[in-house]
Amino acid sequence: RKEVEQDPGPFNVPEGATVAFNCTYSNSASQSFFWYRQDCRKEPKLLMSVYSSGNEDGRFTAQLNRASQYISLLIRDSKLSDSATYLCVGFNDMRFGAGTRLTVKP
Amino acid sequence: NAGVTQTPKFQVLKTGQSMTLQCAQDMNHEYMSWYRQDPGMGLRLIHYSVGAGITDQGEVPNGYNVSRSTTEDFPLRLLSAAPSQTSVYFCASGGGGVQYFGPGTRLTVT
Repeated sequence: RKEVEQDPGPFNVPEGATVAFNCTYSNSASQSFFWYRQDCRKEPKLLMSVYSSGNEDGRFTAQLNRASQYISLLIRDSKLSDSATYLCVGFNDMRFGAGTRLTVKP
Repeated sequence: NAGVTQTPKFQVLKTGQSMTLQCAQDMNHEYMSWYRQDPGMGLRLIHYSVGAGITDQGEVPNGYNVSRSTTEDFPLRLLSAAPSQTSVYFCASGGGGVQYFGPGTRLTVT
């Protein structure tokens, strides 16, 4: 079983919306995770790391909820260019979740 | 730094043929891995290596071999290609949990 599971979506949101994805994990000892972004037919690229204190970078916020064993990625003021697939993965298990597909529409 | 490079970018094989996908990194990372991604699907780990001379199986290792004779190179060998191996193959290297991916090899087996 993979360490992380994701809702594949798709999430279709209008430009300017706030959208959040969750990624549940099974290993309660896990302490760090990563969010990657993958554009169509391209390689995944690191978006953010997620530790116990969470992480914020501009419009993007990642948090770790230990009690419920999930990590979240919040995107505020969505842009058309945010359309991509977002992947989560745990530090201790290099098997990625299936990815959540986001489409931001005008 | 070139990062992670993969060759070839595209390849068409006939069923039963063998070939090697090349992967090289210039970041001196100990950890390297191979994933495959089928259309509309997530990444699946094929094999990985935590250092030169050390390799291990991932989720879907059958039909593939790897070797790690140097830190820089991690080739993936398809022993006898099958149509089910039609996919995009990504190589990655990493340190501290973060992985850097190559641009991928698109393989079609007919």
